Amino acid sequence: AQSVAQPEDQVNVAEGNPLTVKCTYSVSGNPYLFWYVQYPNRGLQFLLKYITGDNLVKGSYGFEAEFNKSQTSFHLKKPSALVSDSALYFCAVRDRGSTLGRLYFGRGTQLTVWP
Amino acid sequence: KAGVTQTPRYLIKTRGQQVTLSCSPISGHRSVSWYQQTPGQGLQFLFEYFSETQRNKGNFPGRFSGRQFSNSRSEMNVSTLELGDSALYLCASSPDRGATYEQYFGPGTRLTVT
Repeated sequence: AQSVAQPEDQVNVAEGNPLTVKCTYSVSGNPYLFWYVQYPNRGLQFLLKYITGDNLVKGSYGFEAEFNKSQTSFHLKKPSALVSDSALYFCAVRDRGSTLGRLYFGRGTQLTVWP
Repeated sequence: KAGVTQTPRYLIKTRGQQVTLSCSPISGHRSVSWYQQTPGQGLQFLFEYFSETQRNKGNFPGRFSGRQFSNSRSEMNVSTLELGDSALYLCASSPDRGATYEQYFGPGTRLTVT
């Protein structure tokens, strides 16, 4: 079975400080991993994905994520947070062996960046 | 390219009624998936369509159904609405089937059942 855990419902950080949003996963095989962001009353926006290669993946709006196979983690990071980064963040996974498009999502982490 | 569009954006229905939601994927995208988002259950997968065929279905009752047309547009239908069906329904498209593709989401349809 495939599953994603986002251990923190809420993350608060001051503007200008680095931020981390945590994600751990469980899949039967090797994973494809994704991060999405959702602003109020909007759909999900794709931020970045890990397919293969370098464990550090760079995405939109200055976000990056580090894939750690031994810890089965894919934490989202940004060196300097902005107030406009405040939103709901979702981690998602697919089994590498699957030909299906279904994404398995975590419960989401609400990020609040204080000015 | 225009993004994924969903209509209507907001809908209020009465328990027992039925509803049809529409999704137009990004031009050229052939795979469409539907998700239900609620505060209590989070994002739950409903179904996935590719080339007018349902390829995958989530754990929802038969009241939830969908279809995809030859132009890749998709509809989902919920019959005999229940209060618990109140949710944000999200449609997502991707260029092709396959696990490496990210999905692009529409703004959603907010369904309220009274």
